[in-house]
Amino acid sequence: GNSVTQMEGPVTLSEEAFLTINCTYTATGYPSLFWYVQYPGEGLQLLLKATKADDKGSNKGFEATYRKETTSFHLEKGSVQVSDSAVYFCALNNQGGKLIFGQGTELSVKP
Amino acid sequence: ETGVTQTPRHLVMGMTNKKSLKCEQHLGHNAMYWYKQSAKKPLELMFVYNFKEQTENNSVPSRFSPECPNSSHLFLHLHTLQPEDSALYLCASSPGLAGAGVTDTQYFGPGTRLTVL
Repeated sequence: GNSVTQMEGPVTLSEEAFLTINCTYTATGYPSLFWYVQYPGEGLQLLLKATKADDKGSNKGFEATYRKETTSFHLEKGSVQVSDSAVYFCALNNQGGKLIFGQGTELSVKP
Repeated sequence: ETGVTQTPRHLVMGMTNKKSLKCEQHLGHNAMYWYKQSAKKPLELMFVYNFKEQTENNSVPSRFSPECPNSSHLFLHLHTLQPEDSALYLCASSPGLAGAGVTDTQYFGPGTRLTVL
């Protein structure tokens, strides 16, 4: 079946530190992959996406590359800010119209 | 207004009450979704509608009753809920129809925080 596994949080970083949040998936076929972000008290916002192998999604300094050989879609940012504190969700859509989410990773950035 | 809106943002109800959650999308999308987000659990898909027709009911108890009068509006009618139904209920929409061969991006509303006493 389809599934998404994310690294467990919470992740606590100092401002300007490098961020990596690991995400691996299991799927048949060729899913699209997504990162969503949820700020405190809000719904989910699309952060970035990739629709085929070797695609790189990027937005607001965040990047993730679709790696079919390792079935991964790790989220990275070179220098985090306090305003990046949120919960990050990795997800896949495997041509069935349903989003399958990971459990979410909470990021806390300290000044 | 733009995007996906949800009302109310917060709702407290007793187990014998009947209430409804409303979702509206201003994006011209054709599919709409209800998700449940509970603490410490992955988001759970509840219902999917394509062009007002329900195409997915993910084994949701009958105390949750969805309604989609048109492709822009989606309701979730609640009755005789249990305390374990307390959660954030998220609505989403996507441009294409939900189904085989579709990998569309879904756009989410801010959610309704529901507390059942």
